[in-house]
Amino acid sequence: SQTIHQWPATLVQPVGSPLSLECTVEGTSNPNLYWYRQAAGRGLQLLFYSVGIGQISSEVPQNLSASRPQDRQFILSSKKLLLSDSGFYLCAWRSGQGYHEQYFGPGTRLTVT
Amino acid sequence: AQTVTQSQPEMSVQEAETVTLSCTYDTSESDYYLFWYKQPPSRQMILVIRQEAYKQQNATENRFSVNFQKAAKSFSLKISDSQLGDAAMYFCAYRTYTSGTYKYIFGTGTRLKVLA
Repeated sequence: SQTIHQWPATLVQPVGSPLSLECTVEGTSNPNLYWYRQAAGRGLQLLFYSVGIGQISSEVPQNLSASRPQDRQFILSSKKLLLSDSGFYLCAWRSGQGYHEQYFGPGTRLTVT
Repeated sequence: AQTVTQSQPEMSVQEAETVTLSCTYDTSESDYYLFWYKQPPSRQMILVIRQEAYKQQNATENRFSVNFQKAAKSFSLKISDSQLGDAAMYFCAYRTYTSGTYKYIFGTGTRLKVLA
């Protein structure tokens, strides 16, 4: 069966510090991968998606970037965090083989102080 | 562009009763998928149910069912025999194909409270 992991689960970082959040998927190959941000009490905002290694598409201009160095690994990064980067970050995957829904990781709660 | 609207920020239901959560969407596509996701306090997003737009029959999963009205662009979720564990945020989502991949558009969510 497929599983998706995210780490860390919780992170507190000062303004101006770098960021690296990691997402990995097991049990599938060539998944479509997604990064979302969820502000407190709000819906999900799509940040990045990837259909393959090295292929990243950005949905909104911002202080963040994403990379996909391996088939089942998706990384969200920032060189210098802003207060507005605080939120709950969710990684999701979708099988590229005819499945229709997304499955989500447990999320990372980021607080920028 | 497609949009998803959940007009009920919060709903309450008595345990064992039935509740319906509303969702409307706007699209010019004829073939698409709709989903309901549940986000409990742990914040793990869990798929509840999905509906294919080309199917007239409403999807059901145990105590969860949908009322899909394609012409009205409405996709409501009915929870029967509500349980305390149903308390969560519920998100309606629409899947669209664009720029070579599938993207998912989420509503702002409805917080469901279950009263004992």
